[in-house]
Amino acid sequence: LAKTTQPISMDSYEGQEVNITCSHNNIATNDYITWYQQFPSQGPRFIIQGYKTKVTNEVASLFIPADRKSSTLSLPRVSLSDTAVYYCLVGRKLVFGTGTRLLVSP
Amino acid sequence: EAQVTQNPRYLITVTGKKLTVTCSQNMNHEYMSWYRQDPGLGLRQIYYSMNVEVTDKGDVPEGYKVSRKEKRNFPLILESPSPNQTSLYFCASSPRAPPYNSPLHFGNGTRLTVT
Repeated sequence: LAKTTQPISMDSYEGQEVNITCSHNNIATNDYITWYQQFPSQGPRFIIQGYKTKVTNEVASLFIPADRKSSTLSLPRVSLSDTAVYYCLVGRKLVFGTGTRLLVSP
Repeated sequence: EAQVTQNPRYLITVTGKKLTVTCSQNMNHEYMSWYRQDPGLGLRQIYYSMNVEVTDKGDVPEGYKVSRKEKRNFPLILESPSPNQTSLYFCASSPRAPPYNSPLHFGNGTRLTVT
């Protein structure tokens, strides 16, 4: 079972790029990496998923190095509405952990 | 609209009074799961279901029961609620069960208080 480690919290300002890194040293060969976003009192929402290299969608980018032991969620030009908790999940077990609390200030 | 619907949104009850939290999805998803969320502990999985009539324990199943008699419904049953089950509960579903990497779709949550 791949265990993930993320920073507990991060602070940023509007308009900046935010990078949240997740460490998953014992990721299995077939495991994908999935990121979710959660606002207070709401269910988590899928953001992005990837297996290797780089994946980009309209919301974020996901960078995965060749050894796949970590991944970085990149949020370009954050706004106040990006203040949320972000979770990195690896593999089939769907363990959420405590996530990274991102606070975006004006 | 494709969604996961939980009811009720808020529930206050007393210790020992059996209750059921319903969860229904209209996306024909195979996989369904229940999570509870508590401050400082993140989301913890209670039970999950890979398909109809197939359920299994998650990380914190004690005090809970589930059933999956139909594909769309996955109720969470608390036979004898206790105050330590006061929490925010989320139901989730995904098109295919693990190991397939299908994103989870979550309901809006049920805030349960047991006094």
